Amino acid sequence: EAGVTQFPSHSVIEKGQTVTLRCDPISGHDNLYWYRRVMGKEIKFLLHFVKESKQDESGMPNNRFLAERTGGTYSTLKVQPAELEDSGVYFCASSLQGARNGYTFGSGTRLTVV
Amino acid sequence: SQQGEEDPQALSIQEGENATMNCSYKTSINNLQWYRQNSGRGLVHLILIRSNEREKHSGRLRVTLDTSKKSSSLLITASRAADTASYFCATDVGGSEKLVFGKGTKLTVNP
Repeated sequence: EAGVTQFPSHSVIEKGQTVTLRCDPISGHDNLYWYRRVMGKEIKFLLHFVKESKQDESGMPNNRFLAERTGGTYSTLKVQPAELEDSGVYFCASSLQGARNGYTFGSGTRLTVV
Repeated sequence: SQQGEEDPQALSIQEGENATMNCSYKTSINNLQWYRQNSGRGLVHLILIRSNEREKHSGRLRVTLDTSKKSSSLLITASRAADTASYFCATDVGGSEKLVFGKGTKLTVNP
């Protein structure tokens, strides 16, 4: 089966611009998660979808971040406007049965805001 | 300190040696997971150990869990250069779906 796919793999944008990251989970996985790792810090949870519903968005840093999962398939994470501190690697993961059985992560999108 | 904190932060060994990484956490958990990240790539799930388990093996990996000490260790035996990566432990928090990761241990295996 195909794994979790993230696009783009790298993005360099200027401060104030908008960037949209995309994640295609493993087919049939209702659970989809976004995490990010800011340089030198821990990997941190952003939010969790079950199908198209946001189950937990407690990790979203502020209202410049908007995640959607229309139709319960792929998800997008938009950052608007981007700030320098948003630079880091954004990971998407999906799972069939939730965290108790582990996730499958994508390769991540490396976002650089200059 | 953070939930899911690994030590050492960096470890450099020779091929063939064993590598041991430790993880400590603060709250009660349902399970603890170890992930690997090769440079520039995504996170790969290595092994999951549940709170009622004490030890688990997968190939050259051995994970222990001591819930009384709130700690876990990951042992990689007979290391290879391809094991060079960052290793993270992650714990669930209060039965929620979110995982809390540590900062990771950067392992370098020299050929």
